[in-house]
Amino acid sequence: DQQVKQNSPSLSVQEGRISILNCDYTNSMFDYFLWYKKYPAEGPTFLISISSIKDKNEDGRFTVFLNKSAKHLSLHIVPSQPGDSAVYFCAASPHFNKFYFGSGTKLNVKP
Amino acid sequence: ETGVTQTPRHLVMGMTNKKSLKCEQHLGHNAMYWYKQSAKKPLELMFVYNFKEQTENNSVPSRFSPECPNSSHLFLHLHTLQPEDSALYLCASSQVDRGAPDTQYFGPGTRLTVL
Repeated sequence: DQQVKQNSPSLSVQEGRISILNCDYTNSMFDYFLWYKKYPAEGPTFLISISSIKDKNEDGRFTVFLNKSAKHLSLHIVPSQPGDSAVYFCAASPHFNKFYFGSGTKLNVKP
Repeated sequence: ETGVTQTPRHLVMGMTNKKSLKCEQHLGHNAMYWYKQSAKKPLELMFVYNFKEQTENNSVPSRFSPECPNSSHLFLHLHTLQPEDSALYLCASSQVDRGAPDTQYFGPGTRLTVL
């Protein structure tokens, strides 16, 4: 059974607008969360992380929000750029070394 | 070379072949991982090595055999694979400090096709 779910396989957004990618998890022991971005023919690259002691972490245009009670996290990209078009994976960890990944959301940012 | 490298990038093999995938990390990390990514599925963790010792094997069939000769190199030996083993195989590394979260850095992957 999948412990990390990304229910939207794809998302299309106009350049300059906000992209919101969502991720749900089931295991309350998860305490560290990451987002990765993946371009075709490349491996996933780390984007941003958040630990369970925070509810928000911001890095430039990227902000991750964590709602522990709802077991939900989201990635906001503002403003979206065509170069952001990629597959985004969320991952969650109950302890070091062990990560559970979602199946990814393909973001298309239209010029 | 920087980061995590994987060779070959593409591999086509028959079910009776034996081949190996290679991963090398240039980040000075102490842990390495093999993941499998099938189409439209989450990344599946296959093996974990901490300080060259295998610490996790996620019920992977014995036709996949990992080897970690040192903390910078990781191999995945393949033999008598099935067509359903066709997937993208990703290697990752991280610096593990007990009690602290780690971030995994991925290689570009090997696209494997089993005929």
